[in-house]
Amino acid sequence: DADVTQTPRNRITKTGKRIMLECSQTKGHDRMYWYRQDPGLGLQLIYYSFDVKDINKGEISDGYSVSRQAQAKFSLSLESAIPNQTALYFCATSDGIGYTFGSGTRLTVV
Amino acid sequence: KNEVEQSPQNLTAQEGEFITINCSYSVGISALHWLQQHPGGGIVSLFMLSSGKKKHGRLIATINIQEKHSSLHITASHPRDSAVYICAVRNNAGNMLTFGGGTRLMVKP
Repeated sequence: DADVTQTPRNRITKTGKRIMLECSQTKGHDRMYWYRQDPGLGLQLIYYSFDVKDINKGEISDGYSVSRQAQAKFSLSLESAIPNQTALYFCATSDGIGYTFGSGTRLTVV
Repeated sequence: KNEVEQSPQNLTAQEGEFITINCSYSVGISALHWLQQHPGGGIVSLFMLSSGKKKHGRLIATINIQEKHSSLHITASHPRDSAVYICAVRNNAGNMLTFGGGTRLMVKP
């Protein structure tokens, strides 16, 4: 199994729908991150969490929410999806030194 | 101006060529990461540098802290090296990464 697992890998959803992207890890890292990647742009930070009780907004948190259900699980929700949220989403974990990324979730909002 | 700038944005090379990708940054950092993203989308960490030079197989990464510049070199390039290479800097607090826009490399046989 991968160290950082994202589900689903691909998703097409309609405008206005609620959608959840899930991330689980076996690295034992406390730090978890959600990033968004748009074509030609660098990854942008949506939310991050350094502990189960610690949730912080990143650069582009508007329209998103997160839940840290356990040390190993960090979910990203789009409460009401809109087309400009179409992007590749990455979850990552860190021990404060190295980073491990998931394989990404390709989300299309139509 | 972006805090992390990569050049070139796109690079096409012939198999066997020596390749250099550059990364410049404008903020204080605790480390710099080079990442590889294959067409399937997944991101893999190649190197983490805080000084000097590291080598892994045909890949070499260098960093000059005073000049705020890093380079990733690929020797004897191969079509399987075709990917997007991403530079990311870790802030002084050690808790955040800021990413460059990536360099898309295509190596032709």
